[in-house]
Amino acid sequence: EAQVTQNPRYLITVTGKKLTVTCSQNMNHEYMSWYRQDPGLGLRQIYYSMNVEVTDKGDVPEGYKVSRKEKRNFPLILESPSPNQTSLYFCASMPQVYSNQPQHFGDGTRLSIL
Amino acid sequence: EDQVTQSPEALRLQEGESSSLNCSYTVSGLRGLFWYRQDPGKGPEFLFTLYSAGEEKEKERLKATLTKKESFLHITAPKPEDSATYLCAVHSGGSNYKLTFGKGTLLTVNP
Repeated sequence: EAQVTQNPRYLITVTGKKLTVTCSQNMNHEYMSWYRQDPGLGLRQIYYSMNVEVTDKGDVPEGYKVSRKEKRNFPLILESPSPNQTSLYFCASMPQVYSNQPQHFGDGTRLSIL
Repeated sequence: EDQVTQSPEALRLQEGESSSLNCSYTVSGLRGLFWYRQDPGKGPEFLFTLYSAGEEKEKERLKATLTKKESFLHITAPKPEDSATYLCAVHSGGSNYKLTFGKGTLLTVNP
């Protein structure tokens, strides 16, 4: 089944403890992206990747890192999480860059930073 | 900067009562407008893409239309299983392929 898989689905942790949220897609998609969803603010892009080893900042990149060493994986790294990063995170992928095809989303990761 | 405004924020319908959701947008050059459905605890699920004014797409009880300033999602004879948050997003051609989302319309269909 074609899908975008995120892990973990839920995480409660403390300020300053490094964490990684994994994202994997099995559709050989070139483009991958991370969004966060907050009440009253909607979905906002954090980082995106056009292909392996090609990543760039979205609208709200502060406090986050990403890497794209393999085409299928696009982990989101919080080196020193803070309470304002408590949010619902979504990974998305799209078949080709420079196209108008829809992005397909994972089921989300709910992070709580205490 | 791209902007997307959805209205109403919430809509409660009786089963069978047709209605429309609105998505108004401001972009420098529209490359695509997307409708998604989001259920609680799930990621957005793709419904439709519209590319140019006058275009229409249909799927079961849903029909999406597009003008130069807004899009409508028409729901005909809704059922309780249509209850969800409906999200509208635009892509204006930036190299990051960023989707700019509206805040969504929470639709509740009562039996």
